[in-house]
Amino acid sequence: GNSVTQMEGPVTLSEEAFLTINCTYTATGYPSLFWYVQYPGEGLQLLLKATKADDKGSNKGFEATYRKETTSFHLEKGSVQVSDSAVYFCAPRDGGSQGNLIFGKGTKLSVKP
Amino acid sequence: DTGVSQDPRHKITKRGQNVTFRCDPISEHNRLYWYRQTLGQGPEFLTYFQNEAQLEKSRLLSDRFSAERPKGSFSTLEIQRTEQGDSAMYLCASTLGVGSYEQYFGPGTRLTVT
Repeated sequence: GNSVTQMEGPVTLSEEAFLTINCTYTATGYPSLFWYVQYPGEGLQLLLKATKADDKGSNKGFEATYRKETTSFHLEKGSVQVSDSAVYFCAPRDGGSQGNLIFGKGTKLSVKP
Repeated sequence: DTGVSQDPRHKITKRGQNVTFRCDPISEHNRLYWYRQTLGQGPEFLTYFQNEAQLEKSRLLSDRFSAERPKGSFSTLEIQRTEQGDSAMYLCASTLGVGSYEQYFGPGTRLTVT
């Protein structure tokens, strides 16, 4: 089955700093890839997705590119804001028929003003 | 609001009691998933439905757990004889199905077993 390894947190940045959260996965085939975000006290929200190699997903200033060669899907943002403070989850879709998501432990991001 | 809803949002129960959670997916979403999330961890897959058929169950789903989706719309997850280790956030997600893989999550039901 698929698995995912995510950068350990917590990550603490100052406002306007550059963000990278690393994510690598193991999979059979080429699964769809997702980043989800969980703000304090809220449910999981889909942040962005990529469904095939070299696709770039983007949303709210965040970007991630599906790298087949390195089986990676790193999340980046050029200038973080305090409101970006949350837990971020990288999640490949299981390649089997059930199609459930495989989650890592998540990376907690704290942005200081 | 046409998102995924879950009820109740919080449940406190004593060990040994039975509990039931409900999930209402986004209308017309064919697939419905249940996940469990413990503190500091990512969600783990429990089971999923394609319409009313339960097609896969994780080995995390012991015999004390049962899930239904009787008419292919809402789903229920029941835990019998709860144990302290069952304390977690139970998440429901739905997706349109074939050709569309984005899963939309509900707010979750937080279970505390005392």
